[in-house]
Amino acid sequence: EIVLTQSPATLSLSPGEGATLSCRASQSVSWYLAWYQQRPGQAPRLLISDASKRATGIPARFSGSGSGTDFTLTITSLEPEDFAVYYCQQRRTWPPGTFGGGTKVEMK
Amino acid sequence: QVQLVESGGGLVNPGGSLRLSCIASGFTFSDYYMSWIRQAPGKGLEWVSYISIDGSNADYADSVKGRVTVSRDNAKNSLYLEMHSLRAEDTALYYCTRESTAADYWGQGTLVTVSS
Repeated sequence: EIVLTQSPATLSLSPGEGATLSCRASQSVSWYLAWYQQRPGQAPRLLISDASKRATGIPARFSGSGSGTDFTLTITSLEPEDFAVYYCQQRRTWPPGTFGGGTKVEMK
Repeated sequence: QVQLVESGGGLVNPGGSLRLSCIASGFTFSDYYMSWIRQAPGKGLEWVSYISIDGSNADYADSVKGRVTVSRDNAKNSLYLEMHSLRAEDTALYYCTRESTAADYWGQGTLVTVSS
């Protein structure tokens, strides 16, 4: 089973700052990686698929990069609604499409 | 717009059964694989099951295999999850998701609580 490790577990930032979230896979997943955002009390929503493709309606301040085992989600200039938990998911072996443990972006 | 609405959750005794439902709208249901993904209270996401477009293929997480059956009715735009021999560790919010290159749409979830 492919294991995804997200870091850091928590990121404390202020609105307007940039955020860099990491997701590392235990073996190559090529570019088959997705990122999801989960705001408090809400269902997750898809941000990025295939490592770098923004989903419909996702603002340009969200971008994904990487391939193989190392991936990054970058948020430029955090908006108040961006404070949430972010999960990565590998789609290289789907199902099951394992998820990372999440990174919480909290307001400093 | 795409909507997924789950129902059927509730409080059940250990060893009990539940049937979850998900009604889809706003897209051609029969064109998409569908999944169930769950989230235990305060925890991360766990894929539970998927079903293919025509229902001929399905798979399950090891944690639920043998106790859960996924099905769909394309004529009713509906997805189901039959759960048996429920355990405390099955307590979670269960999401119905549409699958493409990722889980691109999620319902709001239905809460399953297994407790005596």
